Amino acid sequence: NAGVTQTPKFQVLKTGQSMTLQCAQDMNHEYMSWYRQDPGMGLRLIHYSVGAGITDQGEVPNGYNVSRSTTEDFPLRLLSAAPSQTSVYFCASSYQGSGEKLFFGSGTQLSVL
Amino acid sequence: RKEVEQDPGPFNVPEGATVAFNCTYSNSASQSFFWYRQDCRKEPKLLMSVYSSGNEDGRFTAQLNRASQYISLLIRDSKLSDSATYLCVVNAANYGQNFVFGPGTRLSVLP
Repeated sequence: NAGVTQTPKFQVLKTGQSMTLQCAQDMNHEYMSWYRQDPGMGLRLIHYSVGAGITDQGEVPNGYNVSRSTTEDFPLRLLSAAPSQTSVYFCASSYQGSGEKLFFGSGTQLSVL
Repeated sequence: RKEVEQDPGPFNVPEGATVAFNCTYSNSASQSFFWYRQDCRKEPKLLMSVYSSGNEDGRFTAQLNRASQYISLLIRDSKLSDSATYLCVVNAANYGQNFVFGPGTRLSVLP
C-alpha cells in the first residue's frame, strides 16, 4: 500500500553541490513526473516520463536531469544546485489516458544556500 | 495569459457558509478536469474529478462549462476541516499526460 514514495523529505545543499531526489511507485503507472512548487506560482512541471526509457521536458527543466530505467523509479538529479532551486518538489504518477488522476509523493523541501 | 487561472483568494468564511471557487482554462483541447486539495506543506490530494454533466460528492459540487472553458467548485455547509488550498487541474492528454495546475485558492473556515 506504499503508492508513491519520495525521499528525502528535507535537504539542505550548498550552491554548486549535486544531489538526486528519489521517486518510486508500486502501482505500475506508465506516467511519472516531477513538479516544483513555489509560493504564489502553483505547481510547475519539470520533467515527465510516459514509460521506461522515455522522458521529456516540462515547463521548467533547466538545471535538472531525469532518467527512467524502470517503470517503478524516476529520480530527479540536480546537477549544480543554485539558490533559485530552493523549492518544494513533488513526484507524481498516474495511469496513461484522459481522466486518470495523479498520485503524489509526500514532497521534498529543498534549500540551497 | 496563464493556462489555468483561479480566484486569487484567500477566502475567509464562517463555519456553515457556502463558498464557490472559479477556474478558467485556456487550452480548448483539454480533456479532463479535477479539483485537488492541498493542506499546508502537504502533497495535493484529489478532491474530485469534474464531468461535463456536473457532479456532486457530499457537500461538494463541481461544474464544467466547456464552451466558456470554466470550472467551478461549490462547498456547502463549510467545516473547519475544509480549510486548505484548492487547486484546479486540467489535463490536455494528447500523447502522454499534460496536467496543468492553477495557482490555487486558499480557504480558511473560521469558528
